[in-house]
Amino acid sequence: ETGVTQTPRHLVMGMTNKKSLKCEQHLGHNAMYWYKQSAKKPLELMFVYSLEERVENNSVPSRFSPECPNSSHLFLHLHTLQPEDSALYLCASSQDMTTSSTDTQYFGPGTRLTVL
Amino acid sequence: GNSVTQMEGPVTLSEEAFLTINCTYTATGYPSLFWYVQYPGEGLQLLLKATKADDKGSNKGFEATYRKETTSFHLEKGSVQVSDSAVYFCAQRGSGYALNFGKGTSLLVTP
Repeated sequence: ETGVTQTPRHLVMGMTNKKSLKCEQHLGHNAMYWYKQSAKKPLELMFVYSLEERVENNSVPSRFSPECPNSSHLFLHLHTLQPEDSALYLCASSQDMTTSSTDTQYFGPGTRLTVL
Repeated sequence: GNSVTQMEGPVTLSEEAFLTINCTYTATGYPSLFWYVQYPGEGLQLLLKATKADDKGSNKGFEATYRKETTSFHLEKGSVQVSDSAVYFCAQRGSGYALNFGKGTSLLVTP
C-alpha cells in the first residue's frame, strides 16, 4: 500500500451537494494536512491536524469542514461549494507535528474537484 | 514574511540537456528547503531536501545546494530524460506548520 492515499481521485458536484474527501496514511505519522492547489496559484495550506487535534485553520470558509477521527485518517466534508472551489485537493502527512522545520511532508495523489 | 520565488516556465529542453531551475527564498531564521515534483495527473512527490546551510540534497540525478549567502536552492540535473517532464515546486518550511511553495516550474523534455 502506498504511503498516502486519497479517494475519490475525481469528483464532480453541484453547488447544493454534500460530499466528502477521504485521506489515509500508512506511514505511522502523527500529523495530517489539507492543501488546495488552484490553477496559477501556489499551494495553499487549509488545515493541519496533530494527533487528531486541529492545530491550524487558515481562514478557510465554513463550507469546508475537516474531520480527523484518528491519526491515520483525514476527511474533508464539503457542502454548498462555489465554482471557484474547483481545484486539486491534496492531503499530506508528516512524522511529528512539532514546528521543526525538518519535519518532512509526504503527499497523496489528490482529488480533482469540479463544482458545477 | 516567508516566501519562495522560482523561475517561470515552461522550460523546454532536449533530452540529455543540462537543467537548472532557479529558486530563491526569504525567511526569518533557518528554514528547511525542499523540491517536490508533480507528474501529470498525480500528487506531489518529494524529490530532495536540505535542512541546513551548505547541505546538498540529491535524488535520481537531481541536486540542489542550500546557499544561505544567496538565499537560493537551485535545482540541477546534468542530463534530463523525457520521463523528467513534470512540474517542479520549490518549498520552504520554517518554524510554522506550513510548507511555503513557489508557483511551480513546468519542464518539458523532448526526444
